[in-house]
Amino acid sequence: AQRVTQPEKLLSVFKGAPVELKCNYSYSGSPELFWYVQYSRQRLQLLLRHISRESIKGFTADLNKGETSFHLKKPFAQEEDSAMYYCARRSYNTDKLIFGTGTRLQVFP
Amino acid sequence: ETGVTQSPTHLIKTRGQQVTLRCSSQSGHNTVSWYQQALGQGPQFIFQYYREEENGRGNFPPRFSGLQFPNYSSELNVNALELDDSALYLCASSLGGDGYTFGSGTRLTVV
Repeated sequence: AQRVTQPEKLLSVFKGAPVELKCNYSYSGSPELFWYVQYSRQRLQLLLRHISRESIKGFTADLNKGETSFHLKKPFAQEEDSAMYYCARRSYNTDKLIFGTGTRLQVFP
Repeated sequence: ETGVTQSPTHLIKTRGQQVTLRCSSQSGHNTVSWYQQALGQGPQFIFQYYREEENGRGNFPPRFSGLQFPNYSSELNVNALELDDSALYLCASSLGGDGYTFGSGTRLTVV
């Protein structure tokens, strides 16, 4: 089965601390992976996708095929980063997205 | 450019009733996907519509059905509602399955 696992339900850090949100996926060829973010009372929105290899709002994520991971990282967390973060992959045989259960990031001042 | 809009934002239904949720896709998008997000869970894929045809379905029973209209808007219908159907229902539109834009969702409560 194609799965996306986010082992942490909650991650709390202080402002300025590094952040790493973990995501592991079940192996199947070359997955297309995404990070979505949902700020309080806002809709789910795309943060970044691995194929674009870009940095959005200071966040980066590197696909590690050996560890089947796609962890989201930011060197210095900001209070406005507090949100719900979902890792997702595109199904290999359809266009659907398979989401993890999400990690809530709390950044304290 | 308008985003994805969903209606209603909230509704309460009784077990056994039927419900219709609506979604207007983002301008230029021809593909609509529906997801169910239960409390504390990530979104789960229900089905996708492309050019008015169902184009992929998740692990949901047949009482979950949908439509897509020529203007690419879409409806999700759920018959014989059960308590476990209580969730946030998300609609996402895209151009051919690339770059999904999500709506704010419809919060359905079944009592």
